[in-house]
Amino acid sequence: AQSVTQLGSHVSVSEGALVLLRCNYSSSVPPYLFWYVQYPNQGLQLLLKYTSAATLVKGINGFEAEFKKSETSFHLTKPSAHMSDAAEYFCAVSEKTSYDKVIFGPGTSLSVIP
Amino acid sequence: KAGVTQTPRYLIKTRGQQVTLSCSPISGHRSVSWYQQTPGQGLQFLFEYFSETQRNKGNFPGRFSGRQFSNSRSEMNVSTLELGDSALYLCASSLRTSGGGADTQYFGPGTRLTVL
Repeated sequence: AQSVTQLGSHVSVSEGALVLLRCNYSSSVPPYLFWYVQYPNQGLQLLLKYTSAATLVKGINGFEAEFKKSETSFHLTKPSAHMSDAAEYFCAVSEKTSYDKVIFGPGTSLSVIP
Repeated sequence: KAGVTQTPRYLIKTRGQQVTLSCSPISGHRSVSWYQQTPGQGLQFLFEYFSETQRNKGNFPGRFSGRQFSNSRSEMNVSTLELGDSALYLCASSLRTSGGGADTQYFGPGTRLTVL
C-alpha cells in the first residue's frame, strides 16, 4: 500500500533563508507525486506535481521539488523564504492506475520568522 | 472560470443527526473527490465520483455516503453523526482526462462540521 511520510511536523525558517520540506513515499512503482499548500481557512492549492517527465519539477511561487527514485523522496525547496510562505504543506502520492485516489502525508507547518 | 464551491461553509449538528454537504466542481470537471481533514488523522480520502458512479472509496464506515448528479455536482451525506465526525470536509474536482492519477485536483474551501 502506498504511504507518504513528511519529516518534521513543524519547520521554522528565517525570512530569506532556504526552505526545505521533506517527503518520502513508499510505492511498488514510481507514482505520481504532488505538493499542495493550505493557507488558514482555505482549501488546498497545487504547488507542483511529478508525472514521470523531468525529475526536477518547478512549481508556483518559486517552489521546486526533485524526484529521486533511489531515495524514494520528493523534497520541496525554495531558495528564499517569504513571510507569505507560512502555511501547511502536504506531500501526496497517487498510483498511475488510480483515478484521483490521492494519499496525503501528515503535513508540515512552515513558519517564517522575520 | 469559477472555482470549486462548497456549501455550507460551516455547520453545527448534534450527535445522532445526519448532514448533507454539497460540492459544485469547476465547469467541465467530471470527477469529484471528498476528503476528511482532522488534526489527528490529517487528510483522509473518502470517495471519488465520476459520471455519477463511485469509482474509489476510502476506509470509512457506511454512515458516509455520497452521490453525483448528471451536472457533476456532488453531495456527501453522513448519518448518525458522532463526535469524531467533527472535521473539515474538502471536495476536489478534476478533469480526469489522463486516464490515471496524474490529474490535478482543485480543492474547494471546505465545509467545517462541528458535532456537539
